[in-house]
Amino acid sequence: GNSVTQMEGPVTLSEEAFLTINCTYTATGYPSLFWYVQYPGEGLQLLLKATKADDKGSNKGFEATYRKETTSFHLEKGSVQVSDSAVYFCALFDAGNMLTFGGGTRLMVKP
Amino acid sequence: ETGVTQTPRHLVMGMTNKKSLKCEQHLGHNAMYWYKQSAKKPLELMFVYSLEERVENNSVPSRFSPECPNSSHLFLHLHTLQPEDSALYLCASSQDALAGDTQYFGPGTRLTVL
Repeated sequence: GNSVTQMEGPVTLSEEAFLTINCTYTATGYPSLFWYVQYPGEGLQLLLKATKADDKGSNKGFEATYRKETTSFHLEKGSVQVSDSAVYFCALFDAGNMLTFGGGTRLMVKP
Repeated sequence: ETGVTQTPRHLVMGMTNKKSLKCEQHLGHNAMYWYKQSAKKPLELMFVYSLEERVENNSVPSRFSPECPNSSHLFLHLHTLQPEDSALYLCASSQDALAGDTQYFGPGTRLTVL
């Protein structure tokens, strides 16, 4: 079956540091890949997505590239802010199935 | 503003109580979802409705009973819960259930079972 594996958190960074949150997946077909973010006290919201190999999703300074050869979709940001503190979920969608989420990674950014 | 609202935001109930969680979406979507979020399992899909018909039920105990009277409203009826059911219950909606569309989440109901 499909699965998504994320690095365990929490990830603690200082403001303006470089961020990478690793995500790898297992899927039988050709999935679409997503990053969702959950800010404190809120539900999840879509951050970015990519629908085919080598696509790059980007939003709010975050980027992730769909790498089929390594089955990965790592999230990166060049300079994090305190307001980026949240839980980040990697997810995949494979045709005929429901969205499959990873375990989430908590990011804490300190001033 | 995500377009998906949930009430109540917080709920404390005893194991013998009966309560209901409500979700409403204002986005004109056809699919609605219930998720359970807890420390043990960060995001578990519980139920999926498409055009008011249940299309997914992931082995959820019968003490959780969903209801979808129309495409804008979704309820989760709770009865004789256990302390391990304490969690954040998230509702979401999307245009279609099996098309990989973006899901829009509500803020959740924080449930505590005493």
